[in-house]
Amino acid sequence: GENVEQHPSTLSVQEGDSAVIKCTYSDSASNYFPWYKQELGKRPQLIIDIRSNVGEKKDQRIAVTLNKTAKHFSLHITETQPEDSAVYFCAASSTGGFKTIFGAGTRLFVKA
Amino acid sequence: ETGVTQTPRHLVMGMTNKKSLKCEQHLGHNAMYWYKQSAKKPLELMFVYNFKEQTENNSVPSRFSPECPNSSHLFLHLHTLQPEDSALYLCASSQDSAGTGEQYFGPGTRLTVT
Repeated sequence: GENVEQHPSTLSVQEGDSAVIKCTYSDSASNYFPWYKQELGKRPQLIIDIRSNVGEKKDQRIAVTLNKTAKHFSLHITETQPEDSAVYFCAASSTGGFKTIFGAGTRLFVKA
Repeated sequence: ETGVTQTPRHLVMGMTNKKSLKCEQHLGHNAMYWYKQSAKKPLELMFVYNFKEQTENNSVPSRFSPECPNSSHLFLHLHTLQPEDSALYLCASSQDSAGTGEQYFGPGTRLTVT
């Protein structure tokens, strides 16, 4: 069945460094790729998303890249801050499918 | 409260009990979802409702029974659960009726089955 693999499962960086989280997906029909951030004890919230008609999208310190040929997409966080510490989930879905497949999550620690 | 709300926030139940989880969205969205979140596992999609019609049942055991009386409310009826069903159950909604688009999550119900 469809699946989304996410790496690494844990990532520790120094404040100010960059963090990169990578995901691969199996369903070639996938055309929507959101990233959610879940802080401890809180609900997941969308931080950025990308659709298959673009290769890169930026929003201040975060960016997402998509390689449809290779079926992988990545989240890039620059100038990390302690408040970026959270679990990040990638996901993939397709139009008309209603089935969003989530990755297992990456726990990011940003050390001050 | 605005957004997506869930009640109760915490629930402890025995294996022979029957209980229900409630989700309400105040966003005017067309689609609602139930997810199970267990430690060290991906978010598992359980059910999807679009315009009150169930569009996905992700091979969920029959001891979980969803109900969607209208586009704003979603229930998950629980009976004869197992200890491995203990998890955080998240409800979400989305505006997009095409299956893609941001999902807004509720705070979740932390379920413990004893």
